[in-house]
Amino acid sequence: AQSVSQHNHHVILSEAASLELGCNYSYGGTVNLFWYVQYPGQHLQLLLKYFSGDPLVKGIKGFEAEFIKSKFSFNLRKPSVQWSDTAEYFCAVTPASGGSYIPTFGRGTSLIVHP
Amino acid sequence: DAGVIQSPRHEVTEMGQEVTLRCKPISGHNSLFWYRQTMMRGLELLIYFNNNVPIDDSGMPEDRFSAKMPNASFSTLKIQPSEPRDSAVYFCASSFPRGGWNGYTFGSGTRLTVV
Repeated sequence: AQSVSQHNHHVILSEAASLELGCNYSYGGTVNLFWYVQYPGQHLQLLLKYFSGDPLVKGIKGFEAEFIKSKFSFNLRKPSVQWSDTAEYFCAVTPASGGSYIPTFGRGTSLIVHP
Repeated sequence: DAGVIQSPRHEVTEMGQEVTLRCKPISGHNSLFWYRQTMMRGLELLIYFNNNVPIDDSGMPEDRFSAKMPNASFSTLKIQPSEPRDSAVYFCASSFPRGGWNGYTFGSGTRLTVV
């Protein structure tokens, strides 16, 4: 079974600072990778996803993530955060073929951006 | 597209009572997931349906929990009897096709409080 680890539980930044949230997974085969965002009191929304091809994936709201297969990592980045980016961020992984196709989510990283 | 619809949004009940949570997936989505979110344990998968058939219910905590999907447009999660430790936000998510190629769409969740 796959697992996902998000190292940063809480991140506090000032507006315009750069953001990088770590995500590592463990799984022996090919995976599909996702980042979701959950704004306070809301449901999870898809930020971006990786299935194949260019390992640098661009998502909505200026976010991007890079898949580094050798490191089993899929870190989320944004060059300049805004107050409105305050939210919980979840990394998720799904086996790309076979298996159960069930997404496994990390514990999440809480991001607070000060204006 | 109305998205994944969950009801009720909030539920407060007394310990020992039966609770039924409802979910209407996006039309055409053939995979449906029930997740539970708590501060202590993060997002936990409870059960996964594909084409209305339960594929993996290993995450269902105990016999007090049961889930059904009588047709492609409706699923229920029932807790009987409810206990205070069941207090959490319960999310329903759907996807098509398997593997989440288009991402997983989450409902707004049901916040359950058992007193």
